Amino acid sequence: GAGVSQSPSNKVTEKGKDVELRCDPISGHTALYWYRQSLGQGLEFLIYFQGNSAPDKSGLPSDRFSAERTGGSVSTLTIQRTQQEDSAVYLCASSVRQIGSDTQYFGPGTRLTVL
Amino acid sequence: DAKTTQPTSMDCAEGRAANLPCNHSTISGNEYVYWYRQIHSQGPQYIIHGLKNNETNEMASLIITEDRKSSTLILPHATLRDTAVYYCIVRVSGAGNNRKLIWGLGTSLGVNP
Repeated sequence: GAGVSQSPSNKVTEKGKDVELRCDPISGHTALYWYRQSLGQGLEFLIYFQGNSAPDKSGLPSDRFSAERTGGSVSTLTIQRTQQEDSAVYLCASSVRQIGSDTQYFGPGTRLTVL
Repeated sequence: DAKTTQPTSMDCAEGRAANLPCNHSTISGNEYVYWYRQIHSQGPQYIIHGLKNNETNEMASLIITEDRKSSTLILPHATLRDTAVYYCIVRVSGAGNNRKLIWGLGTSLGVNP
């Protein structure tokens, strides 16, 4: 079956521009997570969605970052007025909520480069 | 901060078993141990997880000590395609909780021909 997909795979932008990153989770997965990974680092949590609501936005680094999810499916991460330190790989994961363990499955990521 | 400690790097000969250790001495009773790996320039790939008992699937085996303070991921017959960074993650379980994963730097496994 189809896994998590993300688009674009690569994005190069100029400092100060806005960017939108898209995530299509696995069908039926109600939980969706955004992480980012800077060069040579582990993943850093950004935001978590359960359905269309985001009960945990604690990882968003500044108010330039926002995310939404519509129809309990597709999610968009928006970065306004991009800065060079925003350059990273942005990863999306989805999972089925259930009592006990639930495994997050990751997309291939979007590599963002801010010049 | 990550609740796990892993060696920075390890090497393994092709065809041999790769044993990757992880310390999680502060693990709580309801926290699972998850293993993911990340091959260069790809998204993380789920490998296996466990709570108390040892687990095995088609990819690997997970051995958890009785006190649950450490675990070992075993790749029984490593191949060159297993070269990757392996992450050990302790994650809270339970309905209604955010299941975010807190990542460390992992172990870079090199499989040599």
